[in-house]
Amino acid sequence: DQQVKQNSPSLSVQEGRISILNCDYTNSMFDYFLWYKKYPAEGPTFLISISSIKDKNEDGRFTVFLNKSAKHLSLHIVPSQPGDSAVYFCAASYNYNQGGKLIFGQGTELSVKP
Amino acid sequence: GAGVSQSPSNKVTEKGKDVELRCDPISGHTALYWYRQRLGQGLEFLIYFQGNSAPDKSGLPSDRFSAERTGESVSTLTIQRTQQEDSAVYLCANQPGTADTQYFGPGTRLTVL
Repeated sequence: DQQVKQNSPSLSVQEGRISILNCDYTNSMFDYFLWYKKYPAEGPTFLISISSIKDKNEDGRFTVFLNKSAKHLSLHIVPSQPGDSAVYFCAASYNYNQGGKLIFGQGTELSVKP
Repeated sequence: GAGVSQSPSNKVTEKGKDVELRCDPISGHTALYWYRQRLGQGLEFLIYFQGNSAPDKSGLPSDRFSAERTGESVSTLTIQRTQQEDSAVYLCANQPGTADTQYFGPGTRLTVL
């Protein structure tokens, strides 16, 4: 039962353009969502998060949008840079503030071409 | 060091052997998770330790898998009688408190021949 899904295994974008990574979830009880970035041979690193009480959170070039009615979130990277090339995982949690565990999607490999 | 460390970084073993993977957490971080990532797949939750509470073992795939953690220190993940489908990268993550982000180690790549 895949509660968090990233349906695009890969995405290729030109440098300077917008990258949009998508994530869908099935559990309406999830109350916290995060995006992680992973380079080869390294552990994932936290990128940005959003609480279910918000619909948008922005941090520099990275913006996460949450559409609760559609059970969908997306990560926008603008402008995309070659150094953004990595695997991006979305994650969701129920009761995160009380120690709820993270459920991860399968990841989307982003390639930003110069 | 300041980050989460894991050892070994790579482990090759024969089917049927036992392996032990180690995670050295960030000092003072109360929560510790183990995940695994099989080739081409997402991060699969295995087990979660939070302080002195009973661990959440709901993600362990079989009774061949077990993990221990003493207090807020080192954790070990043990896989007994390894199978080829156990081949994966095993990741450990720390969380300072319940509402904080997780910090991941570099992982241990396990290959079962």
